Amino acid sequence: GAVVSQHPSRVICKSGTSVKIECRSLDFQATTMFWYRQFPKQSLMLMATSNEGSKATYEQGVEKDKFLINHASLTLSTLTVTSAHPEDSSFYICSATEGRNTEAFFGQGTRLTVV
Amino acid sequence: SQQGEEDPQALSIQEGENATMNCSYKTSINNLQWYRQNSGRGLVHLILIRSNEREKHSGRLRVTLDTSKKSSSLLITASRAADTASYFCALRYSSASKIIFGSGTRLSIRP
Repeated sequence: GAVVSQHPSRVICKSGTSVKIECRSLDFQATTMFWYRQFPKQSLMLMATSNEGSKATYEQGVEKDKFLINHASLTLSTLTVTSAHPEDSSFYICSATEGRNTEAFFGQGTRLTVV
Repeated sequence: SQQGEEDPQALSIQEGENATMNCSYKTSINNLQWYRQNSGRGLVHLILIRSNEREKHSGRLRVTLDTSKKSSSLLITASRAADTASYFCALRYSSASKIIFGSGTRLSIRP
C-alpha cells in the first residue's frame, strides 16, 4: 500500500525555538495533505488542510503564524512550529490523499516535547 | 462541530466476544474510514467505505454505513487481546476537502 513518511518521529526542543516536521508521500502524488494534533487520550484534531501549490486552510483556533504549513510539491508538506512553548507539546500526525474519495494515508506521527 | 461522535467511549469485553463501535455524523460524506491506534503510536487503516456502499468486510472486521441515519458501525468478531486499542472513524466530508475524526472508542479485551 501507499506510504507516507513523517520525520522526525520524536523531537525535544527548548522553549522559544522552532521545529520543522516533514511529511512525504513516497509512492503517490498527494494533492491534499492534512495536519493533525493529538493530546493524550484524545482524538485527532485537524489543524489545517493544504493543497499543493496553494496556501493552507487552517481550522478555527489554530494560529497560522505559529503553525506554518508549506506544501510546495505533490510529495512534500512541512509543518513548522514557531517559537514553541511547553503547551505545544503534543503528537502531530500528517495525512495525504490522492483524491477526494480515496484512502487517506497517515504518517507515523511526531512526538514533540518542548522543555 | 463537525467531529464525528463515537460510542461507546470505552468498551471492555472478554476475549472471543464481538465488539461493536458506532460513529455518527451530521453532514454528507464522500467516505468514512476506520482506523486503529495503539497507545502512543501511529494509525493503522482498517476499512474505507464510500457513501454509495452499505457494508464491507475485511477478515474479522465488518463495517456498515447508513447514510439516511448518518451513522456507521464497526464490528470486530472473535476478539483477541491484540485488538486492544483505540478505534476512530474518520469522515471525508462532501462539502469540503477535509477529514475529521470521531471522538474514538477505547477497546479493552480481557484475557
